[in-house]
Amino acid sequence: NAGVTQTPKFQVLKTGQSMTLQCAQDMNHEYMSWYRQDPGMGLRLIHYSVGAGITDQGEVPNGYNVSRSTTEDFPLRLLSAAPSQTSVYFCASSRTGQGAGEQYFGPGTRLTVT
Amino acid sequence: SQQGEEDPQALSIQEGENATMNCSYKTSINNLQWYRQNSGRGLVHLILIRSNEREKHSGRLRVTLDTSKKSSSLLITASRAADTASYFCATDGSGGSNYKLTFGKGTLLTVNP
Repeated sequence: NAGVTQTPKFQVLKTGQSMTLQCAQDMNHEYMSWYRQDPGMGLRLIHYSVGAGITDQGEVPNGYNVSRSTTEDFPLRLLSAAPSQTSVYFCASSRTGQGAGEQYFGPGTRLTVT
Repeated sequence: SQQGEEDPQALSIQEGENATMNCSYKTSINNLQWYRQNSGRGLVHLILIRSNEREKHSGRLRVTLDTSKKSSSLLITASRAADTASYFCATDGSGGSNYKLTFGKGTLLTVNP
């Protein structure tokens, strides 16, 4: 199994541009989520999904959109990039049960917005 | 807002010593988890402890949970240079949802050979 994969690894955007960060998992996990990690801030939840067709907001959802059309894929869209969105983005997945459970993380996408 | 807060922010020890990191949180939880992150990498799950458990072991790791004090500790025994990493606690239950994980800011552990 490849686990959780993320593309691209690095990306530079200009302010106002849009882009989609890709996330895929091959473990048939129902739960998928997106986090951003900023220096000294730990990880903050952007959006999450408990299954295909179901998404919900996390702690910092503004400026980001998600959709979940398949179990495997959970793309994160930046609608109009801003310098404040410069961060490292991590996608994670897990089996659902009584909660989010043990998370399997992807390697991350390092995004710079100029 | 951060649910979990680790303490200390940074810890430097010698190989072979034990390392203890603490996590405090604010609201009731279903589970508490610990993760490790090597520099520039994704997080790796270490251990999950449920709210009705008080202690859990996994290899050289020992986790305790005190729900009355809303705190947890992670003990790494006989540390190795390869244990050098950032360690994060994560709690669920934020905003009434068991599906929202909240991470602390982490403890940076340096194990000197």
